[in-house]
Amino acid sequence: QSALTQPASVSGSPGQSITISCTGTSSDVGFYDYVSWYQQHPGKAPKLMIYEVTNRPSGVSNRFSGSKSANTASLTISGLQAEDEADYYCSSYTTSYTVVFGGGTYVTVL
Amino acid sequence: QVQLQESGPGLVKPSETLSLTCGASGYAISSGYYWGWIRQPPGKGLEWIGTIYNSGSTYYNPSLKSRVTISLDTSKTQFSLKLSSVTVADTAIYYCTRGRTTMVTFDYWGQGTLVTVSS
Repeated sequence: QSALTQPASVSGSPGQSITISCTGTSSDVGFYDYVSWYQQHPGKAPKLMIYEVTNRPSGVSNRFSGSKSANTASLTISGLQAEDEADYYCSSYTTSYTVVFGGGTYVTVL
Repeated sequence: QVQLQESGPGLVKPSETLSLTCGASGYAISSGYYWGWIRQPPGKGLEWIGTIYNSGSTYYNPSLKSRVTISLDTSKTQFSLKLSSVTVADTAIYYCTRGRTTMVTFDYWGQGTLVTVSS
């Protein structure tokens, strides 16, 4: 199975909005609404930010939102803050009953 | 509050078997949900290794399937990972996780344990 495609890096100024894309295929992102997003700060375990494309777990800021169109899912961070600087990974369930991750995107707050 | 904690050797020799255990507290693993392992080579991205459902059904990454075994020990509220015939490419931080609602919704993670493959 091939990894989902994410941009290596995205940057924005405080207060701005940024969007991270996650492109898969019709056998994963495009087939199921089972896409999750994780935030990982250096030296820490990843944290679930979005699940099932658009849902936010309790405690996650509403500045984080998810969407999907065809084979591409997106994570949008609005009102960018310094604490949002981290790696972000998408993941998807696949038609082969497996899980695939994206390569990760580093978000820089300028 | 669910807590997961990985344990096992931090150093494994090439060609040997890597064995890790994840202890779960705050939730009975026999009650449901998915339990799995994800790894991250130093400085690189996340890789799903495999998942076991509380019924015992297992799902593995095709690239690792021939070498991986994940099992549950509900009496001890823990689950385990065995990865055979390891090479230096298996050096990584290994995380145990809980999958909620779907196999891809990892809502709880252990702190991770670094396993180095070296002679």
